[in-house]
Amino acid sequence: AQTVTQSQPEMSVQEAETVTLSCTYDTSESDYYLFWYKQPPSRQMILVIRQEAYKQQNATENRFSVNFQKAAKSFSLKISDSQLGDAAMYFCAYSRIQGGKLIFGQGTELSVKP
Amino acid sequence: GAVVSQHPSRVICKSGTSVKIECRSLDFQATTMFWYRQFPKQSLMLMATSNEGSKATYEQGVEKDKFLINHASLTLSTLTVTSAHPEDSSFYICSARVQSNQPQHFGDGTRLSIL
Repeated sequence: AQTVTQSQPEMSVQEAETVTLSCTYDTSESDYYLFWYKQPPSRQMILVIRQEAYKQQNATENRFSVNFQKAAKSFSLKISDSQLGDAAMYFCAYSRIQGGKLIFGQGTELSVKP
Repeated sequence: GAVVSQHPSRVICKSGTSVKIECRSLDFQATTMFWYRQFPKQSLMLMATSNEGSKATYEQGVEKDKFLINHASLTLSTLTVTSAHPEDSSFYICSARVQSNQPQHFGDGTRLSIL
């Protein structure tokens, strides 16, 4: 069975600084999707970034980028130039190519200090 | 685009009441919808996968007679919590997608409180 692990329950970053959130996963599949979702206090789930496992290039989306290490089954999220609005719970998630059930990690609560 | 509307956003009701939550895809046809449950400070737990026109597939440990799911059209799925009790109080979120290689789009969630 696939599993997703986020080992950092809480993280803190100074405004304008950079922070990296960790995520590891386990799967026997060779092709799959990985995601980072943001859940602010409003509890809306917002897709931050998506990575396709067969693509070696790391996905980026403005200030958000990932470090995808397929052999190590690691998928970390880097947030550059952190802003107060980045404060939220961040979930790493996995899904198979077909079927597509999302399997979420435990989440990392990010706080941004002004 | 890809807007999912979930209604109601908040429900407070007495124990024993049945509660229906609606999940609608507003600008796309969703072949598959998902229902999640989230406790405070915890992750999302998938309850069931709903495909239009067929019976929902429930995750292990989820009572299908307790949580009735209907996906009658390509734009609407409903979750009915039957004879709700305080332990059913939680945050319920739906998501929808067009096809399996497309991302899921989430509704804003429903906070259910059973007194």
